[in-house]
Amino acid sequence: NAGVTQTPKFQVLKTGQSMTLQCAQDMNHNSMYWYRQDPGMGLRLIYYSASEGTTDKGEVPNGYNVSRLNKREFSLRLESAAPSQTSVYFCASSGVRDEKLFFGSGTQLSVL
Amino acid sequence: GENVEQHPSTLSVQEGDSAVIKCTYSDSASNYFPWYKQELGKGPQLIIDIRSNVGEKKDQRIAVTLNKTAKHFSLHITETQPEDSAVYFCAANPKGSSNTGKLIFGQGTTLQVKP
Repeated sequence: NAGVTQTPKFQVLKTGQSMTLQCAQDMNHNSMYWYRQDPGMGLRLIYYSASEGTTDKGEVPNGYNVSRLNKREFSLRLESAAPSQTSVYFCASSGVRDEKLFFGSGTQLSVL
Repeated sequence: GENVEQHPSTLSVQEGDSAVIKCTYSDSASNYFPWYKQELGKGPQLIIDIRSNVGEKKDQRIAVTLNKTAKHFSLHITETQPEDSAVYFCAANPKGSSNTGKLIFGQGTTLQVKP
């Protein structure tokens, strides 16, 4: 089992460019999440999806959009990247009514 | 909303010594407190968690204690080994987030275990 798979692992963008971060899980989990990790700030929730077809904002949703394509896949899109979005992005999943998060290995994004 | 403060930000111990990391939370409605370990280049991994109806939980060399009155919880690692070197995050579930992975994380503690 691969668990949670994120692509790409590294990305460099110029300010104003757009991109989509991909995430897929093979654990048959209902819930999926996008967190960002910044030095000295821990992890902060960007968006959350409780099930296919539903999404909710987290702590820091501004500048991002998400799509829950199906039960396995949850993508994060930056429409117009800004330097403040330079971060490490983690996708995670959890089972039904379960708080335990399973994280992917992350995407390191730099916006110049 | 919920706020989680974690101390210290860095911790260096000799192999075999104990390590303690402390977190405080602000929302008295929080009832789930996990600890995650993040090794270099990897995503965080759950190592232990505790619920508000329990004061202490142990799993081999790691333990977590919870003081609901004071709103703080701690991670204790005994007989530390070099492979314990990593970044550790505490977290709490904010009001209305029970049974979900919508967590508020602490700032992280970098633990270095010197051989």
